[in-house]
Amino acid sequence: SYELTQDPAVSVALGQTVRITCQGDSLRTYYASWYQQKPGQAPVLVIYGENNRPSGIPDRFSGSSSRNTASLTITGAQAEDEADYYCNSRVSRANHFWVFGGGTKLTVL
Amino acid sequence: QLQLQESGPGLVKPSETLSLTCTVSGGSISSSSYYWGWIRQPPGKGLEWIGNIYYTGGTYNNPSLDSRVSISVDTSKNQFSLKLSSVTAADTAIYYCASLYYYGSGSYGDFDYWGRGTLVTVSS
Repeated sequence: SYELTQDPAVSVALGQTVRITCQGDSLRTYYASWYQQKPGQAPVLVIYGENNRPSGIPDRFSGSSSRNTASLTITGAQAEDEADYYCNSRVSRANHFWVFGGGTKLTVL
Repeated sequence: QLQLQESGPGLVKPSETLSLTCTVSGGSISSSSYYWGWIRQPPGKGLEWIGNIYYTGGTYNNPSLDSRVSISVDTSKNQFSLKLSSVTAADTAIYYCASLYYYGSGSYGDFDYWGRGTLVTVSS
């Protein structure tokens, strides 16, 4: 089976830095994309590629990757960053399948 | 900027077929730069990729759903559709359509534009 593993929940104090991680074999080949989802809303792409932000995403969001682990870092977390975060990647070069992580609920204290 | 909008019945009976359509605006579904995808999210749970389709009709489906999934495209209407057969309560979810950037030669970007989602409940 194809899997990306995320911690179910993470908390951070207002204004502090938090890292959300995602582990999986596919990340040895592909960068993870990161999506933010607030209650009742569709997911929004916040990080893609090596470390790229779509237009309108604050620069406090950044991404990194090492071996089979991708990380989303929020530097100076704001109250509005409280949300669920999902990582996503293609599974392998051998197929055109995609997989999402189970999601991490971020609480800003 | 692309906009996507899901439409279809909000209630489907068990064993029947779920049918949804995604209407794309702000761009052509026949663009060589995009695949078009379906993703679902059961209430209170995470995201699950269902499948993708290209404007030529080529599809890739989640192996866990492949036997029940059919995705098609109608370029004349700028729409693509999802059919999921033999549904059960486990298929109750918010269904999203999204665009997946395609660089070509088997290289992809990300799910960059999403519809608002539509809740489909499977119940008798």
